[in-house]
Amino acid sequence: QVQLVQSGAEVKKPGASVKVSCKASGYTFTNYGISWVRQAPGQGLEWMGWISGNNDKPGYSQKLQGRVTLTTDTSTSTAYMELRSLRSDDTAVYYCARDWNYVRDIWGQGTRVTVS
Amino acid sequence: IELTQSPATLSLSPGERATLSCRASQSVSTNNLSWYQHKPGQAPRLLIYATSTRATGTPARFSGSGSGTDFTLTISSLQPEDFAVYYCQHDFFGGGTKVEIK
Repeated sequence: QVQLVQSGAEVKKPGASVKVSCKASGYTFTNYGISWVRQAPGQGLEWMGWISGNNDKPGYSQKLQGRVTLTTDTSTSTAYMELRSLRSDDTAVYYCARDWNYVRDIWGQGTRVTVS
Repeated sequence: IELTQSPATLSLSPGERATLSCRASQSVSTNNLSWYQHKPGQAPRLLIYATSTRATGTPARFSGSGSGTDFTLTISSLQPEDFAVYYCQHDFFGGGTKVEIK
């Protein structure tokens, strides 16, 4: 079945970087994009950025521009989100979601990142 | 484009009708307005896309409508499993409406 499986929870120190993976299966990876969304404790959903399955044309939210990099590996159907210069307010659950034309129809299970 | 959802919290009883509002800061294409349900400890779930099209598995009691800057998600008769937070989304997400048990 169509699914996205994310890497496990991370604990990082302030100033460090984190890289979260999102492995797709059950569909043609290059036919869809991947969006990344996070939810900090007690907050709503925040869109972080989008990348095509072909690893081109990434787009980032203005808030995170310069600290986040999205990439894909088409050979393994895996998307990656790297966030640098971590701060305490980056503590959140990070989700990847299959994205076609702004519709995010399949979601990963989420990865908890704690910055402390 | 900013999306403003109201109310922030909706307190209703099972069986009641829920009407959730999403207002955009400028006109958006109806093709690009979606609604999601989010429960604690779970990933968000796509309910409605293109303003009014139910996603696979979305019960018929959920319906979406609207155009321009004003969009609505209606739950015709709340079931126990419907109590959750709901988000509208264009590229960014709205702030969410929590539907809680009264």
